[in-house]
Amino acid sequence: AQSVTQPDIHITVSEGASLELRCNYSYGATPYLFWYVQSPGQGLQLLLKYFSGDTLVQGIKGFEAEFKRSQSSFNLRKPSVHWSDAAEYFCAVMTTDSWGKLQFGAGTQVVVTP
Amino acid sequence: DGGITQSPKYLFRKEGQNVTLSCEQNLNHDAMYWYRQDPGQGLRLIYYSQIVNDFQKGDIAEGYSVSREKKESFPLTVTSAQKNPTAFYLCASMPDRNTGELFFGEGSRLTVL
Repeated sequence: AQSVTQPDIHITVSEGASLELRCNYSYGATPYLFWYVQSPGQGLQLLLKYFSGDTLVQGIKGFEAEFKRSQSSFNLRKPSVHWSDAAEYFCAVMTTDSWGKLQFGAGTQVVVTP
Repeated sequence: DGGITQSPKYLFRKEGQNVTLSCEQNLNHDAMYWYRQDPGQGLRLIYYSQIVNDFQKGDIAEGYSVSREKKESFPLTVTSAQKNPTAFYLCASMPDRNTGELFFGEGSRLTVL
């Protein structure tokens, strides 16, 4: 079955430390991959996306993600987190079988401590 | 400013009542979507519409209905047939289905008492 898995429900990180959020997918067709961020009580905002080309993609707010086809992963990273990065992060996948329809993971809640 | 407006932000209803959530966009996007968000489950697609006067069921359409009479508007009705309607509902639009980039409203929180 097609799926998007975010193994970590909740991550706590100190301000200034690095952050890595994991995302794994299981799709037969070529995946197009996304990371979105949601602040409490708000809608989601696109951080970055991967369609093709360089497997390391840069996004907004200092985030980057790396696509690893061999591992079916698209992990999100930030070298140094700020208190404003506290939010929920969602990985999403679109495939050629489902143009215009995104499948979302369950999300990872990030807490930033002083 | 262009964007997506959802209303109301908070809504309380008694069990058995139908409820309509409004979604309006002035981004001139063709495609619009309704997602339901529950804690620990991410976003699940209820309905989507890629063009006016046409819409398709998503993964959890049972108990919901939509209409798309105008490009700008995509209201969602939560009917009494929806067994567990209390949730956070998000409306989104996409400028081009090839981009995959969704633009979201701020959501409507529905609580059924």
